Amino acid sequence: GQNIDQPTEMTATEGAIVQINCTYQTSGFNGLFWYQQHAGEAPTFLSYNVLDGLEEKGRFSSFLSRSKGYSYLLLKELQMKDSASYLCAVRAGGNQGGKLIFGQGTELSVKP
Amino acid sequence: NAGVMQNPRHLVRRRGQEARLRCSPMKGHSHVYWYRQLPEEGLKFMVYLQKENIIDESGMPKERFSAEFPKEGPSILRIQQVVRGDSAAYFCASSRTQSEKLFFGSGTQLSVL
Repeated sequence: GQNIDQPTEMTATEGAIVQINCTYQTSGFNGLFWYQQHAGEAPTFLSYNVLDGLEEKGRFSSFLSRSKGYSYLLLKELQMKDSASYLCAVRAGGNQGGKLIFGQGTELSVKP
Repeated sequence: NAGVMQNPRHLVRRRGQEARLRCSPMKGHSHVYWYRQLPEEGLKFMVYLQKENIIDESGMPKERFSAEFPKEGPSILRIQQVVRGDSAAYFCASSRTQSEKLFFGSGTQLSVL
């Protein structure tokens, strides 16, 4: 089966750092993606990991451990506009092709 | 370079009517994916198509739902005889290959009265 878990909601303070965790159990693995989604809008791509380790892109970093089935998204210097839902998704690959399987999303609230 | 275009943005139907949702992928993209999202929930995979072929429809209900991606024109998600439980946001995404990231459209909000 396919299972992707992430916390339902988190709260953090403007200027702080927050880490959003994601664990997965899938029938195959061909990459892990993080998307950001503001209410009523389209999900937008944030990061992609296929090998173990840290990928850094500005204020956002994403980490992957394939042996542990674990990833996290790190957001630094939080801004109010970072309040959004953060979606973890896995591409199982193989005969499932390019589709992504999404977790339920983590609703992040950034407070002043 | 236009992104993924979905229309209509909002669609209101009465129970029993048909809903047709359209999706034009990004230029150069031949892989299309449809997802459904209920309020405060994640994206649920429905169907994955590659020009004229359905690759994976494991997330799509067997009855009343169908999808196509013809050689010419947009991909269509069709829901026949809609019921209130079909009310949701339907997102389309596209990718250039099956290994690259997905780009999402702005979604169609379907409301069934």
